[in-house]
Amino acid sequence: DVKVTQSSRYLVKRTGEKVFLECVQDMDHENMFWYRQDPGLGLRLIYFSYDVKMKEKGDIPEGYSVSREKKERFSLILESASTNQTSMYLCASSRQIDQPQHFGDGTRLSIL
Amino acid sequence: LAKTTQPISMDSYEGQEVNITCSHNNIATNDYITWYQQFPSQGPRFIIQGYKTKVTNEVASLFIPADRKSSTLSLPRVSLSDTAVYYCLVGDKRRTGGGNKLTFGTGTQLKVEL
Repeated sequence: DVKVTQSSRYLVKRTGEKVFLECVQDMDHENMFWYRQDPGLGLRLIYFSYDVKMKEKGDIPEGYSVSREKKERFSLILESASTNQTSMYLCASSRQIDQPQHFGDGTRLSIL
Repeated sequence: LAKTTQPISMDSYEGQEVNITCSHNNIATNDYITWYQQFPSQGPRFIIQGYKTKVTNEVASLFIPADRKSSTLSLPRVSLSDTAVYYCLVGDKRRTGGGNKLTFGTGTQLKVEL
């Protein structure tokens, strides 16, 4: 069965810190995604990667960067965390861009 | 970029058929439509996907009219365990330049009662 694993379920960080969120998939999928989920706003795409070292911006990339050095791993980086980045972060992967995405269970990040 | 609109919430009773509609007036030729289900403290889970007309699988049906400006997820005979948030996703099927054109709806909270 497909497995997308996010490194932490809950994370608390301080304003100004550099924060790393890690995601690993075991299905050899080409595509990986980072979303944030906020009440009333649904899921919003932050960044997307369609291959190793390849990335594209989503709807809300400001304040974030990503890294994909290996096919199975996609990292989301908050360069200097701010309180408005407190949110649920979801990682997903898919084999083809138009095939169903498989999601991790999310990381609830709080920035104090 | 296709903007999607869904009802915020719906209520139903066990055994009834539930239809959830998503509006996507700006859908483009390359866009496909996918529906996901999400339970609390879990990531969304795939339900069904289509491009046009009707698609059916073991858990749901997806109806897409000819103009593709909306889509309807149909859940037959719902049970208490179908209480969840349902999201529609409109996405561009092109490999590059398409990944950043993924638009989720804001979700519909379905509550099923006895």
